[in-house]
Amino acid sequence: KAGVTQTPRYLIKTRGQQVTLSCSPISGHRSVSWYQQTPGQGLQFLFEYFSETQRNKGNFPGRFSGRQFSNSRSEMNVSTLELGDSALYLCASSSTGTAYEQYFGPGTRLTVT
Amino acid sequence: GENVEQHPSTLSVQEGDSAVIKCTYSDSASNYFPWYKQELGKRPQLIIDIRSNVGEKKDQRIAVTLNKTAKHFSLHITETQPEDSAVYFCAASRSGGGADGLTFGKGTHLIIQP
Repeated sequence: KAGVTQTPRYLIKTRGQQVTLSCSPISGHRSVSWYQQTPGQGLQFLFEYFSETQRNKGNFPGRFSGRQFSNSRSEMNVSTLELGDSALYLCASSSTGTAYEQYFGPGTRLTVT
Repeated sequence: GENVEQHPSTLSVQEGDSAVIKCTYSDSASNYFPWYKQELGKRPQLIIDIRSNVGEKKDQRIAVTLNKTAKHFSLHITETQPEDSAVYFCAASRSGGGADGLTFGKGTHLIIQP
């Protein structure tokens, strides 16, 4: 099976702009979670989607949002970008619908200038 | 919410020796504890996990132990090899039907000295 894929792999944006990142889970996986990775804060949970419903959300401002489509592909959006949003954004998929056995994509490296 | 502490932040061992990384968690309801390996510029890779109904799990050179009473779990790598050099993350979760998400430790940079 193909692994989790994410597009784009690299992105440079300016403060105040918005960005949309995409994640395609492993075929058959219905749960998609998003994480932010930074050198200072490490890996932090953003939110999780299962069957097009957001089931849980981490401690991030409302500028961070997401959605999931009927084919389980997911997007996350960050509005009004800030310098501190520069990070590696990782998505992970799971076949179990829980946090068990999450497999990560390669990530999108977002740089905000 | 859950808090996961991971030690040490950097670990240097001689090739062939063993390495041990330790994590503690705060939420007694957590019941799933995976370990991820992340090489430079690559995605985190699930290497082993343990659920709270098990005290120890092994997979070739790696093993994980869990002490629910003390709320800590450890990763053991034996006969270390150069390809084991990476950053290792522990995580904890209250997995049930709600996919609470993984709470990660800050990571351990494992360096294998030739």
